[in-house]
Parts: sequence; structure tokens; C-alpha cells
Amino acid sequence: QGQLVESGGGVVQPGGSLRLSCAASGFRFSDFGMHWVRQAPGKGLEWVTLIWYKGSSYIDSVKGRFTISRDNSKNMLYLQMNSLRIEDTAVYFCARMNYYNMDVWGIGTTVTVSS
Amino acid sequence: QSALTQPASVSGSPGQSITISCTGTSSDVGAYDYVSWYQQHPSKAPKLIIFDVSKRPSGVSNRFSASKSGDTASLTISGLQAEDEADYHCCSYSGGDTWVFGGGTKLTVL
Repeated sequence: QGQLVESGGGVVQPGGSLRLSCAASGFRFSDFGMHWVRQAPGKGLEWVTLIWYKGSSYIDSVKGRFTISRDNSKNMLYLQMNSLRIEDTAVYFCARMNYYNMDVWGIGTTVTVSS
Repeated sequence: QSALTQPASVSGSPGQSITISCTGTSSDVGAYDYVSWYQQHPSKAPKLIIFDVSKRPSGVSNRFSASKSGDTASLTISGLQAEDEADYHCCSYSGGDTWVFGGGTKLTVL
């Protein structure tokens, strides 16, 4: 079925940077697209970005600031977050793309942007 | 990329049925048969319970059913059980390799 484990969250000041990682296991990582989804405190889920064989896509609010990447040789997914804003504060989940849904999720890593 | 609209909360008694609506636009829910639903217990990872509008993944109870009409999708949970108490999130493909979620609905089993 597969397992995803995120890491790299923490507290950062506005304008700062952070790199999130997602370790995949139990499935052929290179065969699947991968999403990052976030959840601000007390709010719903928000799709952030996708990487798959066609390339990558982003929600408008993070374009030019966030970069998704992957290393298939290490079964790792990454999210480089620059110019962080207070509104980027959230739990960040990685999720496996299965056609048009997300069928395997990690437990999330918390990012807090605060001065 | 506006969020889909879900009721903030719904409630029901054990054994009853409840329905959660998810309203989008002709650019997302109305345009594609790619609506999915996720169940999320507190501080847990979301779990896929419905995909492609009305399909259930293997292992998901048949008490969960879903449909779509126009720009609105719906999730129905029948025979409510205490373990169903959770947050439920709808999601739709919105074109251009982007997705949009709803604001989430908190289900309380009375």
C-alpha cells in the first residue's frame, strides 16, 4: 500500500526559508506523481503543488516562492519554501497521486512562520 | 482557485444517515468527474474514502456513498457509528493540473 513520512518542519521568521522532505516506502516511488497539501490551524485542506512526469504545478499563492522536486533514486520528495509568510503556517502533508485522487498520505510536518 | 463550499458542521445520531454537500463551480466540480472525499480524525492523516465522484477504495465501508449533480457533490454516511465522527473534506480536480479542496465539515455523532 505504501507509506509516506514527512520531516523538516519547524519555526521560521517571515521571509525565511525551509525545506520539507517526504520519504516514501512500500511502492515504486518513481511510478507515481506526488502532491503536497497543507492545512492551516483549524482550517480545511489546501492543495499546494504536484510533481509528475509532465512536470509540476502550483497553487497561485506559492508560485515563485515554493519549488517541488524529487529524487527517485532515494525515494524522496521535497518542498523548498522561500519567502515564507505568516499565512504559510500549516501542517504540510505529502500524498501519492493516483489518477485524480490522493490515495496515500503522510502524517504531516508542522511549519510555523512567526516573528 | 476558490475553495469548494462545505457546511462547517453536521450531526446525527447513531444509526441515522447524514449528507454533506460540496459546492463548486463549472470549472471544477461541474467540469470533471474527479471529486474525491477524505476522512480525517483529529491529528491524523486524511484517508481517501471516495474517488471519481462515487467509487469506494477497497476496504472502505459501503455505508459511505457519494454522488454529484451539476456543480454540487454529496457524501452520504448511512448507519452512523461513533467511529465516523471526524472531519470530511471534498476535493475536485480543477484543470491545468490543479486541485481544490473544500473547507471541511466536522461530523458529530450525538
